[in-house]
Amino acid sequence: DIQMTQSPSSLSASVGDRVTITCRASQGIRNDLGWYQQKPGKAPKRLIYAASSLQSGVPSRFSGSGSGTEFTLTISSLQPEDFATYYCLQHSSYPYTFGQGTKLEIK
Amino acid sequence: EVQLVESGGGLVQPGRSLRLSCTASGFTFGDYAMSWFRQAPGKGLEWVGFIRSKAYDETTEYAASVKGRFTISRDDSKSIAYLQMNSLKTEDTAVYYCSRVPFGSGGDYWGQGTLVTVSS
Repeated sequence: DIQMTQSPSSLSASVGDRVTITCRASQGIRNDLGWYQQKPGKAPKRLIYAASSLQSGVPSRFSGSGSGTEFTLTISSLQPEDFATYYCLQHSSYPYTFGQGTKLEIK
Repeated sequence: EVQLVESGGGLVQPGRSLRLSCTASGFTFGDYAMSWFRQAPGKGLEWVGFIRSKAYDETTEYAASVKGRFTISRDDSKSIAYLQMNSLKTEDTAVYYCSRVPFGSGGDYWGQGTLVTVSS
């Protein structure tokens, strides 16, 4: 199985900050990676697909980069509605696997 | 508008069975693969399994933790995907989500989830 190591597990930041979350795959996955945002009690929402493509309707302050084994999600200027938990998901091979999640909290 | 609605969750005893449904609307259901995910209380997300479209013979893939116990199927005439869960264990307690899976992609749209509680 491909292991996805996500860091940090939690992050405290302020409105307007720039934040970066990283996922590392245990083997190469090309660009077969998505980023998801989940708020308490809600379903995950896809933000980024194919590692760097912005999902329709998602604000442009979200961006993704990377290929192979190293991937990043960047939020350029945090907004109050961005405080949530973020997950990466690899779909390069079965079983699909998620990172452990990053809980983004208000400082 | 793409909509996915899960149903069928509830309280079930260990060793028993339960079938979840995922009713889709707003897109041509038969053109897409469908996946099931779950999230145990207070835990992260876990992929459960996947069914391809009829064009790919509706073949399936499963996580090791559910293989041999869970079965995914689909009825394109009704736009419904199913998750049949047998021999349930307490560790299967989770919110179960279905998701639409475009070709070569992870899930794009997700349902709101349905809670399955396995307890005596």
